[in-house]
Amino acid sequence: DAGVIQSPRHEVTEMGQEVTLRCKPISGHDYLFWYRQTMMRGLELLIYFNNNVPIDDSGMPEDRFSAKMPNASFSTLKIQPSEPRDSAVYFCASSSRGVWTEAFFGQGTRLTVV
Amino acid sequence: AQTVTQSQPEMSVQEAETVTLSCTYDTSESDYYLFWYKQPPSRQMILVIRQEAYKQQNATENRFSVNFQKAAKSFSLKISDSQLGDAAMYFCAFGTGANSKLTFGKGITLSVRP
Repeated sequence: DAGVIQSPRHEVTEMGQEVTLRCKPISGHDYLFWYRQTMMRGLELLIYFNNNVPIDDSGMPEDRFSAKMPNASFSTLKIQPSEPRDSAVYFCASSSRGVWTEAFFGQGTRLTVV
Repeated sequence: AQTVTQSQPEMSVQEAETVTLSCTYDTSESDYYLFWYKQPPSRQMILVIRQEAYKQQNATENRFSVNFQKAAKSFSLKISDSQLGDAAMYFCAFGTGANSKLTFGKGITLSVRP
């Protein structure tokens, strides 16, 4: 398996624009997580899915953020409208049994909002 | 709510020497898991080692071992025979089966001197 695949690797956008980050989890993994990493706040869990169903979105900062998982092999994180404070590295991770097994991370998307 | 604390922001070690990275956590759960992840400059998060709370024996993975003190809620990582490739940011993380999500510490930057 190629691991967790995220796209794009880098994204630069203007304030107010819509941004969509994409993730393909490892085949067979039932859990998918979206994290955000910043210098100030470290790694924060935004939302996670189990069997394509959102289980906990308490980490989503505000209504401008939304995440979907239409099928077992694809998830998106959308920010609309984007703001400079959204600049961060966004990671997607997947695991086969939640915390009982290893979470495999993608290489992250570095988002810069100018 | 669970918290994970890594109080040392940076550490340095001489190549071939041993270094210990500290981590404490707070939880009221009895069934949980602890992890150390490594993040090299490539940004990829890589699992180094994991420990199940119900196991008294400390986990080891080659040059990496943990000192798990459950009563003290302490989970330190020992790296023996440090190598230049060990230079990275290290994150301690906590997970509980109750909600399947990981809580990360702020991380520690480890540098290795040749």
